[in-house]
Amino acid sequence: QSALTQPASVSGSPGQSITISCTGTSSDVGGYNYVSWYQQHPGKAPKLMIYDVSNRPSGVSNRFSGSKSGNTASLTISGLQAEDEADYYCSSYTSSSTPYVFGTGTKVTVL
Amino acid sequence: QVQLQESGPGLVKPSQTLSLTCTVSGGSISSGSYYWSWIRQPAGKGLEWIGRIYTSGSTNYNPSLKSRVTISVDTSKNQFSLKLSSVTAADTAVYYCAREAVAGTPSPDYWGQGTLVTVSS
Repeated sequence: QSALTQPASVSGSPGQSITISCTGTSSDVGGYNYVSWYQQHPGKAPKLMIYDVSNRPSGVSNRFSGSKSGNTASLTISGLQAEDEADYYCSSYTSSSTPYVFGTGTKVTVL
Repeated sequence: QVQLQESGPGLVKPSQTLSLTCTVSGGSISSGSYYWSWIRQPAGKGLEWIGRIYTSGSTNYNPSLKSRVTISVDTSKNQFSLKLSSVTAADTAVYYCAREAVAGTPSPDYWGQGTLVTVSS
């Protein structure tokens, strides 16, 4: 099972909006509305930010939003803040040999 | 709120067996509503799903690791464990335990802090 493809890095200035893409296939991202997004600060555990493509768990800022079109899912962070600087990973349910697959990860830098 | 905590040796010799335990607090591992999973992350790399167990003892493993992995559960201690045999340097990684809802989004919602395991002689 191949990892989902994410850009290695995305950057933006405070207050701006950025979007991270997550590209898979019709066997994962494109076939199911089960895409999740995780935020991971250095040395910390991943934190669930978005589930089921566009739902936010309780306590997650509404500056984070998710969407999907075809085989590509996206995470948008609006009103970028210094605390948003972290690695972000997507994951998707897959019809292959594992229940879900993770993305390659994106490092978000706040300029 | 549920919390998960990994424990185990931080250094394992090549060809030996890596053994880790995850202790769950703030909720019962026997609730029947969750899978209990292991995921790892080599330094500077992405996340890899290792496998998971249900409270009944039913397991699912990543085919790439299946021949070397055993996940077990001890409901009396509210713990589940990972054993990975015949380890090599390629198994050096931060190992996370995590919880995944049985009915709902098929990906973890809560994770432990992770524990670094280094394979070296």
